[in-house]
Amino acid sequence: QKEVEQNSGPLSVPEGAIASLNCTYSDRGSQSFFWYRQYSGKSPELIMFIYSNGDKEDGRFTAQLNKASQYVSLLIRDSQPSDSATYLCAVNEGGGSEKLVFGKGTKLTVNP
Amino acid sequence: NAGVTQTPKFRILKIGQSMTLQCTQDMNHNYMYWYRQDPGMGLKLIYYSVGAGITDKGEVPNGYNVSRSTTEDFPLRLELAAPSQTSVYFCASSPRAGGELFFGEGSRLTVL
Repeated sequence: QKEVEQNSGPLSVPEGAIASLNCTYSDRGSQSFFWYRQYSGKSPELIMFIYSNGDKEDGRFTAQLNKASQYVSLLIRDSQPSDSATYLCAVNEGGGSEKLVFGKGTKLTVNP
Repeated sequence: NAGVTQTPKFRILKIGQSMTLQCTQDMNHNYMYWYRQDPGMGLKLIYYSVGAGITDKGEVPNGYNVSRSTTEDFPLRLELAAPSQTSVYFCASSPRAGGELFFGEGSRLTVL
């Protein structure tokens, strides 16, 4: 069974700080990595995806991928109270699979 | 743009009843998925489809059935509802295998 593990949280940071969310995965063949944000009672929404080793930045969000260590992370700079949500890491199964495996999520609270 | 539309948003069933959750997308995506989300447990794949006429089981298919007669529609059928099927159900679509998912708003089902 392919596994995706996230830091269990909950994670609490002050407004303006950097929030760091981490995810490890078991399938070395995985090629696509996604971060979703889910507000309470809402559906997941895609905020970042990354396919290559290294960093990918989009506004206040940076995704980092290290395939050798099977590790992907999400950094949120200048955290805002509106960033308070559960963040889901998703990884595609290797071998060209159509399926994504999700972690259980990390709940982030940004305190004003 | 409607994206992925799910109905109903809320439903209460009695044990042993059956029902169908409807899902339709207007993005011409070949790949469609049904997930369930239980508190603190992330998203679990129930069934998925890679195109009209093709469906396959995910991680937790027992007690469910699907069909895919058109590209747009991917209904999920619950037969003989059980309390263990109390959950939030999300339908999603993707333009590519293992690619980013676009989610519907979810259907909250309670079985009493």
